[in-house]
Amino acid sequence: SQQGEEDPQALSIQEGENATMNCSYKTSINNLQWYRQNSGRGLVHLILIRSNEREKHSGRLRVTLDTSKKSSSLLITASRAADTASYFCATAAGSNYKLTFGKGTLLTVNP
Amino acid sequence: EAGVVQSPRYKIIEKKQPVAFWCNPISGHNTLYWYRQNLGQGPELLIRYENEEAVDDSQLPKDRFSAERLKGVDSTLKIQPAELGDSAVYLCASSSGLAGSYNEQFFGPGTRLTVL
Repeated sequence: SQQGEEDPQALSIQEGENATMNCSYKTSINNLQWYRQNSGRGLVHLILIRSNEREKHSGRLRVTLDTSKKSSSLLITASRAADTASYFCATAAGSNYKLTFGKGTLLTVNP
Repeated sequence: EAGVVQSPRYKIIEKKQPVAFWCNPISGHNTLYWYRQNLGQGPELLIRYENEEAVDDSQLPKDRFSAERLKGVDSTLKIQPAELGDSAVYLCASSSGLAGSYNEQFFGPGTRLTVL
């Protein structure tokens, strides 16, 4: 079963613009992670935010977490054509930190 | 350092045929995961191994799916017999450390299975 739900399902922007994707989840978590998946490839871990953190940055990525609303957002600034991919949020929960993925947001960055 | 290796990358079979996928995790990673990713969906965990032991196989359809990780290194996931609904990408991932703490999972490129 899917825990996270990304919004929007698809997003198309121009190179240089910012892209924002949202994720909502249902149960308590240990941490929330964002992954990228290029067409036909495996997933690449982008960034992790712990349940006691509110914001985290990594290069052009900014992640926020609001545990009261059970939601997170991923912001990619100054997007590039190479950022075109599917982006998934995944929540880690329980003593085993089991990962549960959302359905993903398909981001298309047009040159 | 080599990443997670999976083979084959693509497999097309007729329904009711058996199929097997192989995964070699990153050297030294003692936790191995198999996920299934249906089209337009996120990956869903099928089974998790810690060394040789399957510690979470609650999502594995045991009537037709089986997995093994002999010697606690590489792993094989088998489907017998395959059904049309098994068409998906099968992803393998590995991480260092054991359950009870966060350890980043590294994913292989996956095997895309098409059942005709």
